[in-house]
Amino acid sequence: NFMLTQPHSVSESPGKTVTISCTGSSGSIASNYVQWYQQRPGSAPTTVIYEDNQRPSGVPDRFSGSIDSSSNSASLTISGLKTEDEADYYCQSYDSSTVVFGGGTKLTVL
Amino acid sequence: QVQLVQSGAEVKKPGASVKVSCKASGYTFTSYAVHWVRQAPGQRLEWMGWINAGNGNTKYSQNFQGRVTITRDTSATTAYMELSSLRSEDTAVYYCARWGGYCSGGSCQGYFDYWGQGTLVTVSS
Repeated sequence: NFMLTQPHSVSESPGKTVTISCTGSSGSIASNYVQWYQQRPGSAPTTVIYEDNQRPSGVPDRFSGSIDSSSNSASLTISGLKTEDEADYYCQSYDSSTVVFGGGTKLTVL
Repeated sequence: QVQLVQSGAEVKKPGASVKVSCKASGYTFTSYAVHWVRQAPGQRLEWMGWINAGNGNTKYSQNFQGRVTITRDTSATTAYMELSSLRSEDTAVYYCARWGGYCSGGSCQGYFDYWGQGTLVTVSS
């Protein structure tokens, strides 16, 4: 079964840049689009990146996504960190028409 | 505006079943799929399955095969998720989410653009 692996946690200071990785277990991560969801405590997830690097309307351009086929991984980069960015972030893709989520990364902005 | 409104919290005993509803409004219900995702306390998001609200086709996660049934009522613009043979590990918040994507040739695209507010299901004796 295809799995997506994320670091358990990352932390960075306000104003800095942080990158969260999402590594595919097999095959090519580029064969399906990757999405990124932000989830604050007690709330449903919201999309910050879809189709590898697209931002829904309303998501600031501080959020960007990319794919690195050489490492079979996707990345979410958040620049100019704000305390409000502190949340859990999940990558998501597909495997044979089923949905796969990464394990989630807790971002601490301190 | 698009809204997905889920039914209220449930408390069930082990071995029982639960049925959670997801009432959609603000868009053409049959033009999108509805997925179900759950999250146990302090745990990751876990995908359960989805239904094409137009034709009723479903696909389920292997992790729930045989225990989960997703249906929809187009006249009520509502999707349902029923989980049977409940055990304590099924205690979680259950979310429905709208999906405007599609799958072709084994690859899929699309993302969850609207989510319900979540329904807490507690399984306890």
